[in-house]
Amino acid sequence: DIQMTQSPSFVSASVGDRVTITCRASQDVRGWLAWYQQKPGKAPKLLIYATSRLQSGVPSRFSGSVSGTDFTLTISSLQPEDFATYYCQQANSFPLTFGGGTKVEIK
Amino acid sequence: QVQLVESGGGLVKPGGSLRLSCAASGFIVSDYYMSWIRQAPGKGLEWVSYTSSSGHNIQYADAVKGRFTISRDSAKNSLSLQMNSLRAEDTAVYYCAREGTYSWDFWGQGTLVTVSS
Repeated sequence: DIQMTQSPSFVSASVGDRVTITCRASQDVRGWLAWYQQKPGKAPKLLIYATSRLQSGVPSRFSGSVSGTDFTLTISSLQPEDFATYYCQQANSFPLTFGGGTKVEIK
Repeated sequence: QVQLVESGGGLVKPGGSLRLSCAASGFIVSDYYMSWIRQAPGKGLEWVSYTSSSGHNIQYADAVKGRFTISRDSAKNSLSLQMNSLRAEDTAVYYCAREGTYSWDFWGQGTLVTVSS
C-alpha cells in the first residue's frame, strides 16, 4: 500500500499569509495526486488534481507542485474562507489512500 | 447540475447489516467510475470501495473486503453499498463520490452509520 505522509498536521496562520502543506508518498504515484479542502460538517471539495491542475471554479491562489515524491499545496494569500482541513490523496494504485490531513486555523 | 444524495444510514448493532444508496442526478452513474469513502468521527478520510464504469473492475479496502458489496442500479441511476457483519470500527459518515481525472470531483453530503449495541 502507498502511504501518504502529510505535514504539518496543524497550521496557525493569518489572513494574507502564504501557507504550504506537504505530502510525501512512500512510492511513485506517477503524478496522480489530488488535494481536497473540507470544512466542518461538509463533504470534501476537490481543489487540485494530477499534482498541479486547478479544478474548475477553484481560486488561483491555490496551486500544487511536486519535487520527487514530495507534493506541495500552496495557498498564496490565505483568505477567511480558506480556514479548513486539507487532505492529499494518491490515485495511482489501490488501495487509494489519503494523507492524515492538515488543519489550517486562524492565528 | 451534478448532485449526489446518500441515504440509508442509521444505528445498527454489531454484526448487523445496512444498505446505503446514492442517488445521482445531472449525469449517468454507469458512465463514470464511482467510489464510497468514509470518515470516522473526528478522523480523516478513508477510501472504502470503487467500481469502474463497466462494473468489471471492483475494488475494496482490506478493512471491508468480504463484508461490503458495491453495486449500481442503472434504472434508478444510483450507487449502493451493502454492508454486512458491521463492526464498531465501521462507524463513520459515508460519502459517495464521482471520479473525474484520477480524483473525486463531486461528492454527496454523506450519511452517518453508527454501529453500537
